[in-house]
Amino acid sequence: GENVEQHPSTLSVQEGDSAVIKCTYSDSASNYFPWYKQELGKRPQLIIDIRSNVGEKKDQRIAVTLNKTAKHFSLHITETQPEDSAVYFCAARISGNTGKLIFGQGTTLQVKP
Amino acid sequence: DSGVTQTPKHLITATGQRVTLRCSPRSGDLSVYWYQQSLDQGLQFLIHYYNGEERAKGNILERFSAQQFPDLHSELNLSSLELGDSALYFCASSRAGGFTDTQYFGPGTRLTVL
Repeated sequence: GENVEQHPSTLSVQEGDSAVIKCTYSDSASNYFPWYKQELGKRPQLIIDIRSNVGEKKDQRIAVTLNKTAKHFSLHITETQPEDSAVYFCAARISGNTGKLIFGQGTTLQVKP
Repeated sequence: DSGVTQTPKHLITATGQRVTLRCSPRSGDLSVYWYQQSLDQGLQFLIHYYNGEERAKGNILERFSAQQFPDLHSELNLSSLELGDSALYFCASSRAGGFTDTQYFGPGTRLTVL
């Protein structure tokens, strides 16, 4: 079935450290993997995405890597700052004639000053 | 601001009632998605409409229905409401049929069923 597993569920780091969140997906035909950041009571906001024709993408302090063979992808945040504290969701687009996204359960990231 | 609007922001109602949530996509976007976010379930896909046509359905209850109108706004109707329907309901829009287009989320409607 369609499933995305996300780990860890909570992550606490010191300011300036790196944070890594990992996701695995079940649909081998999935070809689009966005990451969303959600602050308390707010809407999810896209922070980075990757398509299946590339293995890595970077945007300043944020990077995403994709391993299609193993069906997993990861979010890397370097030089974390307190404003990075939020819930992060990974997602995978399932195969078919739709942009339907299956989301992971979320990771609560706390960056301690 | 993503450009996606949702009304109302908050809705408080009683069990057994019916409510309608409204979503206006970003200008030029043809796809609208509905997601439900409850505390223990994360973000769950409900339904996808593209240019007025239903494209995909998730585990949407039979008590829930949706449609997309010719002006591309969408409505999600929830009937015979139960306590467990209390959640944040988000809509998102994307430019085209959705395949790998970015989905932009609206601010959500918080539904509380008492």
